[in-house]
Amino acid sequence: SQTIHQWPATLVQPVGSPLSLECTVEGTSNPNLYWYRQAAGRGLQLLFYSVGIGQISSEVPQNLSASRPQDRQFILSSKKLLLSDSGFYLCAWSSYRSLTNSYNSPLHFGNGTRLTVT
Amino acid sequence: AQSVTQLDSHVSVSEGTPVLLRCNYSSSYSPSLFWYVQHPNKGLQLLLKYTSAATLVKGINGFEAEFKKSETSFHLTKPSAHMSDAAEYFCVVSDQGGGADGLTFGKGTHLIIQP
Repeated sequence: SQTIHQWPATLVQPVGSPLSLECTVEGTSNPNLYWYRQAAGRGLQLLFYSVGIGQISSEVPQNLSASRPQDRQFILSSKKLLLSDSGFYLCAWSSYRSLTNSYNSPLHFGNGTRLTVT
Repeated sequence: AQSVTQLDSHVSVSEGTPVLLRCNYSSSYSPSLFWYVQHPNKGLQLLLKYTSAATLVKGINGFEAEFKKSETSFHLTKPSAHMSDAAEYFCVVSDQGGGADGLTFGKGTHLIIQP
């Protein structure tokens, strides 16, 4: 069966410090990978998604970046954190989506990382 | 264009009574629809999905949802609420018109269970 691992679970970082959040998926190949952010009391905001190694699409311009060095590894980074980067970060994967399958592949989420920038 | 509206930001029910969480959607295609549940400080867990097969979909933990195309609705129900159902619930529509990832999330409904 497929599993998704996301770490760390919680993180407290000072403003201006770097960030690296990692996500790995097991039990599937060539997944679509996603990073979402959930601010307190708000819905989910798509940050990045990837359909393959080295292929990253950015949805929101900001000081965050993402990389996919391996098929089942997705990393969220920042060189200098801002206070506004605080939030709950969620990694997710789905099976390949195409126009012919009408996007019927659900997302499967990790347990999230609670990031507090102080 | 694609959109999803969760009609209630908060729903409060007593334990043992029915649950109804409402979701309306808009889609120019034949959408897939999903309900997710999120417990505090956890990721989202898939409850159920509709993908153009049976319009009444059964999910985990006793939840079910009915796809009504004429009403553009996909309401989530459960006959009898349990304390463990207290969580945030998200309705999601998925089709080719939903941006880069094809998905649009509702803003969520917070379900409160009274003892």
